[in-house]
Amino acid sequence: KAGVTQTPRYLIKTRGQQVTLSCSPISGHRSVSWYQQTPGQGLQFLFEYFSETQRNKGNFPGRFSGRQFSNSRSEMNVSTLELGDSALYLCASSSGQGANEQYFGPGTRLTVT
Amino acid sequence: GENVEQHPSTLSVQEGDSAVIKCTYSDSASNYFPWYKQELGKRPQLIIDIRSNVGEKKDQRIAVTLNKTAKHFSLHITETQPEDSAVYFCAAIIPNQAGTALIFGKGTTLSVSS
Repeated sequence: KAGVTQTPRYLIKTRGQQVTLSCSPISGHRSVSWYQQTPGQGLQFLFEYFSETQRNKGNFPGRFSGRQFSNSRSEMNVSTLELGDSALYLCASSSGQGANEQYFGPGTRLTVT
Repeated sequence: GENVEQHPSTLSVQEGDSAVIKCTYSDSASNYFPWYKQELGKRPQLIIDIRSNVGEKKDQRIAVTLNKTAKHFSLHITETQPEDSAVYFCAAIIPNQAGTALIFGKGTTLSVSS
């Protein structure tokens, strides 16, 4: 099976802009979780989608949003970018049905200038 | 909410030695504890996990132990090799939710010198 894929791999944006990141889970997996990784804060949970519905949400401002499509692909959007949003954004795929194992994608490195 | 503390933040060992990384969690309702290995510039990779109904789990040179009473779990790597050098993260599933959301420790940078 193909692994989790994320696009784009790298992004440079300016403060105030918005950005959309994409994640394609492992075939058959219905759960996609998003995490932000920074040197200072480590890995922090953003939100989880399962069957096109947000199932959990972390403690991030409303500028961070997401959605999931019927094929389980997920997107996350960050509006009004701030310098502090510079991070590696990772998505993780799980079957979502009683199994907890999550498998990460390669991440999208976002730099906000 | 759930909180995960991980120690040490850095660990240096000689090839062939054992390495132990410890984590504590705050919410006794957590029931799933994975460990991830992240090499420089790569994605976190699930290396082993344990559920709350099990006290220990082994997979070749790695093992994880769980003490539910003390609310801590540990990763043990025996006969370390240079390719074990990486950042290791422990995590605990956020309890009382239907999903798979994880809370991660801050990570341990393991360096194995030959």
